[in-house]
Amino acid sequence: DSGVTQTPKHLITATGQRVTLRCSPRSGDLSVYWYQQSLDQGLQFLIQYYNGEERAKGNILERFSAQQFPDLHSELNLSSLELGDSALYFCASSVDSGAREGELFFGEGSRLTVL
Amino acid sequence: SQQGEEDPQALSIQEGENATMNCSYKTSINNLQWYRQNSGRGLVHLILIRSNEREKHSGRLRVTLDTSKKSSSLLITASRAADTASYFCATVQGAQKLVFGQGTRLTINP
Repeated sequence: DSGVTQTPKHLITATGQRVTLRCSPRSGDLSVYWYQQSLDQGLQFLIQYYNGEERAKGNILERFSAQQFPDLHSELNLSSLELGDSALYFCASSVDSGAREGELFFGEGSRLTVL
Repeated sequence: SQQGEEDPQALSIQEGENATMNCSYKTSINNLQWYRQNSGRGLVHLILIRSNEREKHSGRLRVTLDTSKKSSSLLITASRAADTASYFCATVQGAQKLVFGQGTRLTINP
């Protein structure tokens, strides 16, 4: 158990809909990262937050947004969903502001299926 | 863009044999990390090797790093069926983000 909690574990929705994925980092970790894993694109970095502020941005679509709350949990919002958004979405956390020094701890992921 | 590229994409060996996976990357690094992912599960950190280190061991794992060739290898000795998983190398790109390769899918046959 990594200590990172993601909900929901599975989600099935229709095109055009909006969903929110939730992540609670390990106790004491200030950084939260979001990754998307699909068969054709591999593991893609989406965005990172550190202590409530956006720290780094990757290939995140404009239809997607995220935030980190004062209690350090994070939410990833996916809107106007398309079939291609079907993927595993992972949250990871680390104690420091970046991955330069140490490891990331991953949650078990939220599997999103868009029909 | 993918920073690390693993080779081979898939590897199938018999239990007890050694498994070697390679990773190449493009830019200078501070450290290189290896992760393991069981099918459909979260990634688990295995080992981190810093740019000034050439080799590191952890149990049955041995990681080497050649910064002149921008490559790393992960060796799993005396493989077990439970080692069946995908293995990813990851490097820090830019200031913060950890970028993963496409992974090597390792199958250990009993």
